[in-house]
Amino acid sequence: NAGVTQTPKFQVLKTGQSMTLQCAQDMNHEYMSWYRQDPGMGLRLIHYSVGAGITDQGEVPNGYNVSRSTTEDFPLRLLSAAPSQTSVYFCASSTRLAFFPDTQYFGPGTRLTVL
Amino acid sequence: AQKITQTQPGMFVQEKEAVTLDCTYDTSDQSYGLFWYKQPSSGEMIFLIYQGSYDEQNATEGRYSLNFQKARKSANLVISASQLGDSAMYFCAMRGPVYNFNKFYFGSGTKLNVKP
Repeated sequence: NAGVTQTPKFQVLKTGQSMTLQCAQDMNHEYMSWYRQDPGMGLRLIHYSVGAGITDQGEVPNGYNVSRSTTEDFPLRLLSAAPSQTSVYFCASSTRLAFFPDTQYFGPGTRLTVL
Repeated sequence: AQKITQTQPGMFVQEKEAVTLDCTYDTSDQSYGLFWYKQPSSGEMIFLIYQGSYDEQNATEGRYSLNFQKARKSANLVISASQLGDSAMYFCAMRGPVYNFNKFYFGSGTKLNVKP
């Protein structure tokens, strides 16, 4: 049982490049989410999904796309990287209890630098 | 948007003493959930404790307890008998109310240093 896995651990991009951050969980969790963590600001929700084929925006969705074709995977795509997207990205997942997402379990994070 | 406030950017505590980390939240709804996470220097996010807004008892998990004061909209984390391994960032988070329950909001965190 690997929990929530994220790849890559580190990534350096040039402005304008695109890339996909991978996230997978093996706990059969319905709810998955992406956050970014910037210094002194805590975590902010980018996008979330409540099941395969269902995604929605969080607090800071601009510049990011997501899709959820399977229960296990929830990739985050940066369409055209900008220096403002330099951050640490966390993926998380949880079960849902009576439609509410339960306690989230986090992946190890991806540290992204955009030059 | 919901708001979580952690007013203590950094705190020191002597090993074996208790420490309280403050968290206040802003919501007009009656149904919500409150969480605390620990982030060691290695970077991972570790779940510590959960309190539902309708729970009458304060949540406890080992050395962690949550001092929940609903009328004051506060959810302070109490760590008893601090250990050196408790040195980390601590984040308070809230799951949104009924109309927004798929969204989570985090505070800016408190960095706790435990001194030997």
